[in-house]
Amino acid sequence: AAGVIQSPRHLIKEKRETATLKCYPIPRHDTVYWYQQGPGQDPQFLISFYEKMQSDKGSIPDRFSAQQFSDYHSELNMSSLELGDSALYFCASSPEGHRLAQYFGPGTRLTVL
Amino acid sequence: EDQVTQSPEALRLQEGESSSLNCSYTVSGLRGLFWYRQDPGKGPEFLFTLYSAGEEKEKERLKATLTKKESFLHITAPKPEDSATYLCAVQANYGQNFVFGPGTRLSVLP
Repeated sequence: AAGVIQSPRHLIKEKRETATLKCYPIPRHDTVYWYQQGPGQDPQFLISFYEKMQSDKGSIPDRFSAQQFSDYHSELNMSSLELGDSALYFCASSPEGHRLAQYFGPGTRLTVL
Repeated sequence: EDQVTQSPEALRLQEGESSSLNCSYTVSGLRGLFWYRQDPGKGPEFLFTLYSAGEEKEKERLKATLTKKESFLHITAPKPEDSATYLCAVQANYGQNFVFGPGTRLSVLP
C-alpha cells in the first residue's frame, strides 16, 4: 500500500540558511499535517492544510511557512534556521480530515549546524 | 487547554509478561483518541482509533480501550519485536490537529 512520502530524508543546513521539506500524501488523501519532533519529545503540531487551504495552525514559528499544491503535495519552507530547529519533521495525511487517523511519513531529519 | 499524559514513562517486560499502558486526557470535546507505535528515527505507525467511551479495538497482541478520561493499551504475551515507543494522541472536536502524549517506551526482553 502506498504511504506518505517525504523528501529529503536527511538535510544538513547552516544557521540562517533556508530549507524546504516536501510531503506527498497517500493517494486520495486531501489533508496534510506537519509535525516537529525534537529529540526525546512527542510530535508537536505545526500546521495543516485541507483542499489546499490552511485548516489549522499550531506552534509554527513565523520563520516557517507552508502550502499545499493542486496535486495535494505540501511543502514546508523554513528560513533563518536556528540550532533549535534541528528535529525530525513529520508529514501526515488523512482523507477528508475529520475523525480519521493520520498516517505519518518516515520524516525528514533536519540538522542545523 | 487540551492535555495528554501517559504512564509509565518507560516499561520493561519479559517476553510473555502481559501489561497495560495508560493514556489520560483532558480535551474539550473528544473527536477521537489514537494510538501509534514509533520506532526510533521513524514516523509514528497507526494502530487504533477510538471514538467513544466503552469502545474496544484489537490487533494481534494489542487491545485498546477507552473511557471518558483515559485509554488503556493492553499488551498480551508481548514479544521482543513489540519494543517501541507507544504514543497516544487526541483530536478535539474543534480542530483537526493531534495533541500527542509524551509516550511510553516499552522494552520487551527475550
